[in-house]
Amino acid sequence: DVKVTQSSRYLVKRTGEKVFLECVQDMDHENMFWYRQDPGLGLRLIYFSYDVKMKEKGDIPEGYSVSREKKERFSLILESASTNQTSMYLCASSPLLAVSYNEQFFGPGTRLTVL
Amino acid sequence: KNEVEQSPQNLTAQEGEFITINCSYSVGISALHWLQQHPGGGIVSLFMLSSGKKKHGRLIATINIQEKHSSLHITASHPRDSAVYICAVSFDFGNEKLTFGTGTRLTIIP
Repeated sequence: DVKVTQSSRYLVKRTGEKVFLECVQDMDHENMFWYRQDPGLGLRLIYFSYDVKMKEKGDIPEGYSVSREKKERFSLILESASTNQTSMYLCASSPLLAVSYNEQFFGPGTRLTVL
Repeated sequence: KNEVEQSPQNLTAQEGEFITINCSYSVGISALHWLQQHPGGGIVSLFMLSSGKKKHGRLIATINIQEKHSSLHITASHPRDSAVYICAVSFDFGNEKLTFGTGTRLTIIP
């Protein structure tokens, strides 16, 4: 059974803290994505990686960075958490486009609260 | 700007009713996806369409490329169908990114 896992389901942090969200997939997928989901706004792409050590900015990268040192792991980093980063964070992965027509497999999500 | 719009935003129906959720998009696409998100957050892919119609159990998805419109239908709805249904499209073949609608929250009352 294919799986995308995220390190935490719920996380509470304080303003200014450095926050790491980890995502691991066991499907040998090339592409990995980080989204945030807010009421009324849908899923918005933060960063995207199409290979190890490769990354592209999504629609809302400000305040975030990412790391992909191994194919199966994609980390989202909030360098200095702020209250407006309180949100649901979802990780996804997909195989090469030619195979999948962009079908993405999602993790369970991390609900982050920044106080 | 490439956009995806869903309607309705919220839908409440009685068990057994036929459900329709709509999705429209602004420009040509390479594929359209219907996703389901249950309370608690996890998202699963229901359908991927580039033309025509697909059926899986009580769920049917259709797409009209000329009208830039897709519908998701649920027949004989059941309370376990209660979830948020999300439409997503890939606008460019060769572009791995998806653009998402804001979702339709469906509640089925027993």
